[in-house]
Amino acid sequence: KAGVTQTPRYLIKTRGQQVTLSCSPISGHRSVSWYQQTPGQGLQFLFEYFSETQRNKGNFPGRFSGRQFSNSRSEMNVSTLELGDSALYLCASSPRDLGYNEQFFGPGTRLTVL
Amino acid sequence: QKEVEQDPGPLSVPEGAIVSLNCTYSNSAFQYFMWYRQYSRKGPELLMYTYSSGNKEDGRFTAQVDKSSKYISLFIRDSQPSDSATYLCAMSGTHYGQNFVFGPGTRLSVLP
Repeated sequence: KAGVTQTPRYLIKTRGQQVTLSCSPISGHRSVSWYQQTPGQGLQFLFEYFSETQRNKGNFPGRFSGRQFSNSRSEMNVSTLELGDSALYLCASSPRDLGYNEQFFGPGTRLTVL
Repeated sequence: QKEVEQDPGPLSVPEGAIVSLNCTYSNSAFQYFMWYRQYSRKGPELLMYTYSSGNKEDGRFTAQVDKSSKYISLFIRDSQPSDSATYLCAMSGTHYGQNFVFGPGTRLSVLP
């Protein structure tokens, strides 16, 4: 069974630009969550989508948004990039409800903002 | 003070050593406690989870939770070079991931 895939794996952008990251969950998984990982703040929850609806949202500004498609694939968008947005963005999928023992992480997208 | 603190590391040990990784927390509402392992250039993978206080063992790994002290530990026996990774603790007051609070991680190197 294929794992969670994320594209691209690496991305370099400049301040003010916008970026879209993509996540393909494990086949059959309907919940997709996004996390930001930085050395200073660690892993922080961004939002979760289930059946194309945002179910939960972390404490991030509105520049961070996402969506989920009918095939459960998800995209995350960050507009007006800031230097502090440089981070590893992780996607995790879950089969139905978001349970701690059912969450599988992808390898992440490393975003560098110059 | 951060909600979850973790020994910063990095930690280097010889192969075969017993490793102790620790986290402290401030929120007494936490009931679910997890340990994740993250290899370089990979996403975290769930190693252990426990509910409330007590110990849980899985092979060479033992997770320990002391809610009275707000302290959790992960012990690795007979450590192997393949255990070299960053270990993240995570905890939550509910079963649901959106409430997880992760520690910053401890980088472990097991030297052959």
